Formats: sequence, C-alpha cells, structure tokens
Amino acid sequence: QVQLQESGPGLVKPSGTLSLTCAVSGGSISSSNWWSWIRQPPGKGLEWIGEIYHSGSTNYNPSLKSRVTISVDKSKNQFSLKLSSVTAADTAVYYCARAFQIAELGYYYMDVWGKGTTVTVSS
Amino acid sequence: QSVLTQPPSVSAAPGQKVTISCSGSSSNIGNNYVSWYQQLPGTAPKLLIYENNKRPSGIPDRFSGSKSGTSATLGITGLQTGDEADYYCGTWDSSLSAAVFGGGTKLTVL
Repeated sequence: QVQLQESGPGLVKPSGTLSLTCAVSGGSISSSNWWSWIRQPPGKGLEWIGEIYHSGSTNYNPSLKSRVTISVDKSKNQFSLKLSSVTAADTAVYYCARAFQIAELGYYYMDVWGKGTTVTVSS
Repeated sequence: QSVLTQPPSVSAAPGQKVTISCSGSSSNIGNNYVSWYQQLPGTAPKLLIYENNKRPSGIPDRFSGSKSGTSATLGITGLQTGDEADYYCGTWDSSLSAAVFGGGTKLTVL
C-alpha cells in the first residue's frame, strides 16, 4: 500500500526557509489524489498548510499563502514544501498526507499519513 | 482559533459510550462531508471516519459518525483504555478553498 516519508533539516534559522520533501512509495503521485502538508506545533492541534495535484494545481491555507510553495516532482514520485521567513511560531511536527478530494461535491479526507518530521526554528 | 469547534476534552469509564461534537458553518460542514482522525500519543493522525459515517477497512464498528446541518458527531462505544487519544474532525471549507480541522478533543478513559 501507499506509504509516505517526510525528510528535511530538523533545524532552521529564523528568517530562513524551511524545506521538506515527502517521498511516495507503493503508488504513483500521478494518481487521482491530492498531496497535502499539515503541521502540529508542540502541544497544539493540526493545521493544514496546503496541497498539490500532480498537474501542479495547488491550494494553500490563506493564513500561510504568502510564505508557502508546494511543488511536485513526478520523476522522483515526491512532493515538496517550502516555507519562507520562518519564526519560532513555525516550530512543529510536519506531516505529509494523501487526500481524496472532489471539492465540487464536498468530498475531502486524508487517508494516508507520513510519520511526521520535527522542525525547530532557532538560531 | 480553529474554524471547526470541538470540546477540549471528554472522559468516560471503560465499556461506556462517549460522543465528541464538531461544530462549523454552511461553508464547511453544512455543505461538505466530514472526516474524523485519531491521534494516539506520539503518533501521526489516522483516518477513523470519512464521508460523515464511513469507516476505512480495519476500523472497528465501535466507532461511528453522523452529521446534521452544520454539526457532526463522533461516537465511540465499548470504550477501551487504548482509545485514549486526541480526536480531530476535518472537512473542506468552500469559502476558504482550504481544508480545515477542529481544535481536537482529548479523550480520557477513566
């Protein structure tokens, strides 16, 4: 079955750019799914960051949109997250997930999740 | 401040039943399907319920979901100590064009 694995630096300096990659195994990133990023600050709830379709179409959380870029690399079967101008408030566990979505019909859920990777923003 | 509203915590004794509510608006729950996620301590969230009331393969029928208007409810019967976790509701928000979550509910099985 499909598995997701996040990777990237665990420590990022303030004002820098956070960069993470999610490798998809056991399935194709070109399937009829959206590929999402979600984060969870220490002791807090889940926050959806954004998503991408294999065509390159994206949706972003309005509160993060100005700092977020999600891209897809079909040749490597992976997708990536870049979050710029980070502060301590961006310290969190970052998850990637597969989403089933037909927004026009109201369908949306995330059925496969990665194990998460911890990113700390500190000098 | 989450778009969807959940109680911060609920508790019940082993073997009992508990419900967790999730309140939203017409732009999210009112016109879209709701999903529920279980997050055991130190682990990633897991899909528990999708399309309001469907269970993925492997999820026991002790877990159920329902929706009415702009609110949804997760029910858990025959509580076990292993059910102690954080539970999140989620859906699509058509006005934001974004996925949204509730703030999460911590379940304690006394």
